[in-house]
Amino acid sequence: DAGITQSPRHKVTETGTPVTLRCHQTENHRYMYWYRQDPGHGLRLIHYSYGVKDTDKGEVSDGYSVSRSKTEDFLLTLESATSSQTSVYFCAISEGFQNEQFFGPGTRLTVL
Amino acid sequence: GENVEQHPSTLSVQEGDSAVIKCTYSDSASNYFPWYKQELGKRPQLIIDIRSNVGEKKDQRIAVTLNKTAKHFSLHITETQPEDSAVYFCAASRSNAGNMLTFGGGTRLMVKP
Repeated sequence: DAGITQSPRHKVTETGTPVTLRCHQTENHRYMYWYRQDPGHGLRLIHYSYGVKDTDKGEVSDGYSVSRSKTEDFLLTLESATSSQTSVYFCAISEGFQNEQFFGPGTRLTVL
Repeated sequence: GENVEQHPSTLSVQEGDSAVIKCTYSDSASNYFPWYKQELGKRPQLIIDIRSNVGEKKDQRIAVTLNKTAKHFSLHITETQPEDSAVYFCAASRSNAGNMLTFGGGTRLMVKP
């Protein structure tokens, strides 16, 4: 597996609380992505980054924000968690444009 | 935006048979089509991809075909083995949409020994 880790791996939180998920890579890849995976929906892109401080929205970005202050770290923040954000979150990285995306191990988030 | 539909949602085959999974896409500008495999409890991993300047690509027992006119592409697995059991996702992206992938809903393939 590519050098990509996610933390925490599991989290249970309550509605209305802020949550931050971290993705860390050791591959020095330019692109980083956050997806959520829900049954029947496949993987849906939340936000992605194409460089330090360069980010853009994906197809399901409402309620989420991201930051990338270093090449190796990409943070996903749920500003005020809702039950609809209960999901498995995957981070991914890729070296270049339309190159293979390598996925992290995932974070299972439960919002009560 | 792009919409990718994938069929069937579940597929059961006998070991040694072939399996075919089909995807359609909506954006005629899409030009990159990867396939990912996700085993139970694991992360998705790329198994094969195809670009729009190619109609077919093979890698041992797996192949992907692309029909740009009809806007559909398919994954073919021959001589299936129990270890092929997994969820398979197709995806599409276009060159003027950043580096975003739009995924299909997934196909759960079960290979019965």
